[in-house]
Amino acid sequence: TQLLEQSPQFLSIQEGENLTVYCNSSSVFSSLQWYRQEPGEGPVLLVTVVTGGEVKKLKRLTFQFGDARKDSSLHITAAQPGDTGLYLCAGIAGGTSYGKLTFGQGTILTVHP
Amino acid sequence: EAGVAQSPRYKIIEKRQSVAFWCNPISGHATLYWYQQILGQGPKLLIQFQNNGVVDDSQLPKDRFSAERLKGVDSTLKIQPAKLEDSAVYLCASSLGRSSGTYQETQYFGPGTRLLVL
Repeated sequence: TQLLEQSPQFLSIQEGENLTVYCNSSSVFSSLQWYRQEPGEGPVLLVTVVTGGEVKKLKRLTFQFGDARKDSSLHITAAQPGDTGLYLCAGIAGGTSYGKLTFGQGTILTVHP
Repeated sequence: EAGVAQSPRYKIIEKRQSVAFWCNPISGHATLYWYQQILGQGPKLLIQFQNNGVVDDSQLPKDRFSAERLKGVDSTLKIQPAKLEDSAVYLCASSLGRSSGTYQETQYFGPGTRLLVL
């Protein structure tokens, strides 16, 4: 069973601060996705990273896939209250597990005005 | 484009009762997923359909959970009988399917059904 560990589980910061969320595994994934989930809604895909060492930017969000494709990070610059939510990483094993997502337990981010 | 629809949004039942959830995926999406998300955890895949066939149900507690997608479109997930530990949000998601030719398919999630078993 492939597991993804996210840290920290909870993050409470002030508007304007920077933060990083980590997603680690002992297993290799063919690709990794980051989702954001708001209360009462389903997760919404933010990004997919495929290549080891890949860095993708989405406005103030920077996503990195580890060289060995076992870990990833999400960095938010100058956080805003609208960034508040549950951030989930999910690994895709590929091969016979085509399309199957293995989710981390999530990081609850609260950004205070 | 309409998203994934789920109903009901909330359900409260007593243990040992039965409950059913319904999902209507995005039009044209061949693959449909049911996930269970317990409070404080990430979603866990229960079952994956490709059209009306089951691709993966390895984590579905088959003694009490069942799911079907008879015409390859809508799907229902049933729990009978429910236990206290089944309290969770049940998420349905859909994606285009293998015919898209890519491993990194985007899964589109519905809003979920929040189940409370008393």
